Amino acid sequence: SQQGEEDPQALSIQEGENATMNCSYKTSINNLQWYRQNSGRGLVHLILIRSNEREKHSGRLRVTLDTSKKSSSLLITASRAADTASYFCATDGGDGGKLIFGQGTELSVKP
Amino acid sequence: DARVTQTPRHKVTEMGQEVTMRCQPILGHNTVFWYRQTMMQGLELLAYFRNRAPLDDSGMPKDRFSAEMPDATLATLKIQPSEPRDSAVYFCASGLVLGANTEAFFGQGTRLTVV
Repeated sequence: SQQGEEDPQALSIQEGENATMNCSYKTSINNLQWYRQNSGRGLVHLILIRSNEREKHSGRLRVTLDTSKKSSSLLITASRAADTASYFCATDGGDGGKLIFGQGTELSVKP
Repeated sequence: DARVTQTPRHKVTEMGQEVTMRCQPILGHNTVFWYRQTMMQGLELLAYFRNRAPLDDSGMPKDRFSAEMPDATLATLKIQPSEPRDSAVYFCASGLVLGANTEAFFGQGTRLTVV
C-alpha cells in the first residue's frame, strides 16, 4: 500500500509561474524525498529533507516538511517547459531504508 | 558515469511463460530495490535487499515472483508463470544506505507486456 498521498494529481501552469505540490503520509519517517520522472524514464532524485528539518532549498526547488501534520510540499519557482514531468514523494520510515512512494503529481508547464 | 542498468528494456511474452528481469546496481551501493509501476497502482515496492540479503519482499506475490541477488553486481526478478495482470514497468533502483540517507538511483525500467 502507498504511504504518500499527493495533491493535486495533475497540475497545468504557464512557463514562469510557480508550481506547488503536496504530499501527505501516514507513519513516522526518517526522511522524505522528492523524485521526478520524465515520460518513459526512470525516476531521478531531486531533494531529501530529514525529519528534523523544516525547509530545504536546491536551486529553484523549495521543500517544506511539517511532521506534526505529516505533510510536505515541493515548490518549483519560475517553472520552465522542461519541468514537465511527474513528481513523486517518497518516505523512508527508518525501517532499513525502505522507500515508499506516493501516487505522484503530473505537472505540465506550457510555453 | 555510474548508472543502474536494467535488461531487457522491453519484453513481450505469452501468458504462462517465465520472465527474468536483470539489474546491475551501481558499484558500491549496498541496497537494491525492485518496484512495479502501473497506471492503477502507481509505484509499488516489491522487494529490497541490503548487502545482498532480502530485507522485505512482502509486496511481492510469492507464488509466482522471486527476487535474488546472486552476487553484488546482479539482481534478478523472475515471474513464473507470467499473467496478463503482470504487465507493467518494473524498475530496479540502488542506493548506499548510511544512517538516515537513502537516495535511490533508478534504472530505465523493463516494460513487460504479457499477452
